Amino acid sequence: GENVEQHPSTLSVQEGDSAVIKCTYSDSASNYFPWYKQELGKRPQLIIDIRSNVGEKKDQRIAVTLNKTAKHFSLHITETQPEDSAVYFCAARDNNAGNMLTFGGGTRLMVKP
Amino acid sequence: DSGVTQTPKHLITATGQRVTLRCSPRSGDLSVYWYQQSLDQGLQFLIQYYNGEERAKGNILERFSAQQFPDLHSELNLSSLELGDSALYFCASSTGSSGNTIYFGEGSWLTVV
Repeated sequence: GENVEQHPSTLSVQEGDSAVIKCTYSDSASNYFPWYKQELGKRPQLIIDIRSNVGEKKDQRIAVTLNKTAKHFSLHITETQPEDSAVYFCAARDNNAGNMLTFGGGTRLMVKP
Repeated sequence: DSGVTQTPKHLITATGQRVTLRCSPRSGDLSVYWYQQSLDQGLQFLIQYYNGEERAKGNILERFSAQQFPDLHSELNLSSLELGDSALYFCASSTGSSGNTIYFGEGSWLTVV
């Protein structure tokens, strides 16, 4: 099945700096890669996603890049704000197992004011 | 509000007991997924149903079972509970069997004492 690894597990940045979270996946057939943000005790919320026919997608301060050849994708957050502090999860859709999402281990992002 | 409804929100029960968690997917969604999130852990996929049929199975213990009913709501049954089963259980839904965008409910906090 699919295996998703996510790095770093914790990331601390100063307000206004950029943050980058990286994920690798194992199943070359995976074609959908969402990112979720989870605040403490709350549900994961989709913040951006990318499909395998696209190399980059941007939404205001958030961007995601995908390198299919290397099987890795990254989340970029620019001009970070304290409210960006949360746990971020990447995921990949496993086409060979009912198409459910396999999640990375999560990155705890702390933005210091 | 994602449109995915989970009950109960909080549940405290003793070891050895059995509990049922309930999920109503977003209107029109046919797929239901169950995920387990232990303290400071990632999202572990348990099981997926699509239109009443089991579609994919993850690391779901034999003491756990689930089903999806004709009205598309789903129940996750946890029996012979152990302390280690304490976790946040999320239900999620999507339109088709192919995953695509998955929306999470608010979760059910289970504490086993």
